[in-house]
Amino acid sequence: EPEVTQTPSHQVTQMGQEVILRCVPISNHLYFYWYRQILGQKVEFLVSFYNNEISEKSEIFDDQFSVERPDGSNFTLKIRSTKLEDSAMYFCASSGEGNTEAFFGQGTRLTVV
Amino acid sequence: LAKTTQPISMDSYEGQEVNITCSHNNIATNDYITWYQQFPSQGPRFIIQGYKTKVTNEVASLFIPADRKSSTLSLPRVSLSDTAVYYCLVGENRGSTLGRLYFGRGTQLTVWP
Repeated sequence: EPEVTQTPSHQVTQMGQEVILRCVPISNHLYFYWYRQILGQKVEFLVSFYNNEISEKSEIFDDQFSVERPDGSNFTLKIRSTKLEDSAMYFCASSGEGNTEAFFGQGTRLTVV
Repeated sequence: LAKTTQPISMDSYEGQEVNITCSHNNIATNDYITWYQQFPSQGPRFIIQGYKTKVTNEVASLFIPADRKSSTLSLPRVSLSDTAVYYCLVGENRGSTLGRLYFGRGTQLTVWP
């Protein structure tokens, strides 16, 4: 069964450092998303991406964040100058044309110290 | 955006049928009802989606009354591995694109031996 894969599974970084979280969406999907979940909190939408541009973003997705599809298979989330409150599980998801469901990856646990 | 209300937690025993009800009084005409499941430290996983009446797949059934102001996810004969958080989501069907998903707190289902 096709799946969304994320790397790394766990990343520890110092406050102020930049991190890049990587995702390989399902190969024939066209819509890509990043969500995050702070420990014990709700799953929160960050951004959606289609046709090489952001289609929607939440208020959380400020100038500190950026997304990129650098090649035909990867989808990345960059967080510049990380803060302690960025510590969370970050989930990548993808969906296909006409799909009614999003397929989520296993997540990257980001810990900012 | 239709707000959803579901129980914070439920307990069951192995082999029993579990019904989780979600209220969405302000559901709009174009809104679909979708349920996701999330295990600890994993991304949400699509279970089932419906618009009205009853939908059944290999995992669950979804019952939606005529007024669509609530829905019930039914899990037949649960096992220990069904212990998870279950989310009820209500969102617009945008045709070709899924759009952002709004997750609430969900229902923590615990299945006991």
